[in-house]
Amino acid sequence: DAGVTQSPTHLIKTRGQHVTLRCSPISGHKSVSWYQQVLGQGPQFIFQYYEKEERGRGNFPDRFSARQFPNYSSELNVNALLLGDSALYLCASSHDRVSYNEQFFGPGTRLTVL
Amino acid sequence: GENVEQHPSTLSVQEGDSAVIKCTYSDSASNYFPWYKQELGKRPQLIIDIRSNVGEKKDQRIAVTLNKTAKHFSLHITETQPEDSAVYFCAAREKTSGSRLTFGEGTQLTVNP
Repeated sequence: DAGVTQSPTHLIKTRGQHVTLRCSPISGHKSVSWYQQVLGQGPQFIFQYYEKEERGRGNFPDRFSARQFPNYSSELNVNALLLGDSALYLCASSHDRVSYNEQFFGPGTRLTVL
Repeated sequence: GENVEQHPSTLSVQEGDSAVIKCTYSDSASNYFPWYKQELGKRPQLIIDIRSNVGEKKDQRIAVTLNKTAKHFSLHITETQPEDSAVYFCAAREKTSGSRLTFGEGTQLTVNP
């Protein structure tokens, strides 16, 4: 059974551009969460989606948006990129939104903004 | 919101020694505390977790303890091996926040052969 997959693995953009990151959860998992991990720090929560609806949002500007599709895959969009958006973006899936269910992380997308 | 502090930021031990990493959390509503291991360039992987209705959990060389009154929890690794070298993150999840995890800043563990 495949784990969480993310694409692309690496991405280089310039300031002001837009980026779309993609995530496919483990089969049967309905909840997808997005995290930003800046080098040397712990992951920071961005969004959670469950059954195609936003269920949680972290302290990130409106330049960050996301959505979840009927097949439970998800996209994270970031507009007007800043240098500070350079980070590893992690997607995590879990079976449902119950608080103690294990989250499984994908390999991440390494975004570099020049 | 929840705030998680993790200490130490770096830890160096000799192979075979024990390692202890400590975390504190701020929100008494948090009820789930996972620990993740992240090797360089790889995804975080769950190594052990504990729910708030349990005080201690053990899995082979790894154990986690939770003190709800003091709002702190700790990771204990015994008989450390060089392959234990990695960054370890603690996290906490508030009961009503769905899947949202609040992470500590991480501990770089180095096990010297």
